[in-house]
Amino acid sequence: GAGVSQSPRYKVAKRGQDVALRCDPISGHVSLFWYQQALGQGPEFLTYFQNEAQLDKSGLPSDRFFAERPEGSVSTLKIQRTQQEDSAVYLCASSPLGQAAGGYGYTFGSGTRLTVV
Amino acid sequence: EDQVTQSPEALRLQEGESSSLNCSYTVSGLRGLFWYRQDPGKGPEFLFTLYSAGEEKEKERLKATLTKKESFLHITAPKPEDSATYLCAVQAYGQNFVFGPGTRLSVLP
Repeated sequence: GAGVSQSPRYKVAKRGQDVALRCDPISGHVSLFWYQQALGQGPEFLTYFQNEAQLDKSGLPSDRFFAERPEGSVSTLKIQRTQQEDSAVYLCASSPLGQAAGGYGYTFGSGTRLTVV
Repeated sequence: EDQVTQSPEALRLQEGESSSLNCSYTVSGLRGLFWYRQDPGKGPEFLFTLYSAGEEKEKERLKATLTKKESFLHITAPKPEDSATYLCAVQAYGQNFVFGPGTRLSVLP
């Protein structure tokens, strides 16, 4: 597709429920990033993939968060046993270059708004 | 630790009233400073990358400048469609983007 696609757009989960958020990056993009954006704040880094390899997961807030990109294209962010503090917009971004290339603006999707009740 | 702050938090302008947004940063080895625009319910949209102090970039009514400690986004004669949140981010060598909290801009007709 022409842009980064994320689904679902909105997700309401009961506390303790597991959720899976999907990201379809731009075709051929090497790098894929997940960010978490709380209301009124800037995005915060969660994790980074270069192709299928997860090279950096330092931003994942707890072991309840897990991300994968098994074939180097579509990625899934999974949150187990959701808690109220997980409520946020989860943004996916992709780039045609590896992170080491640097200096290249990422293309973001519209995000998934997760509300945990 | 890399840090980014932005001011003001919110800015309300009349159409045609020029102003500037500020992004102050501390980073060990700046690889690039990025400006993004974010509309409600959308992801950030890339505007500019600045690499070194003294550099300037322009796009329509927007001009971004960079010093060693801060960046400014100048908006000349804004229109209501320029209303959005403007995000600044820095990237150090080998590191991920660090975003600021953003400035919410409202341009009234």
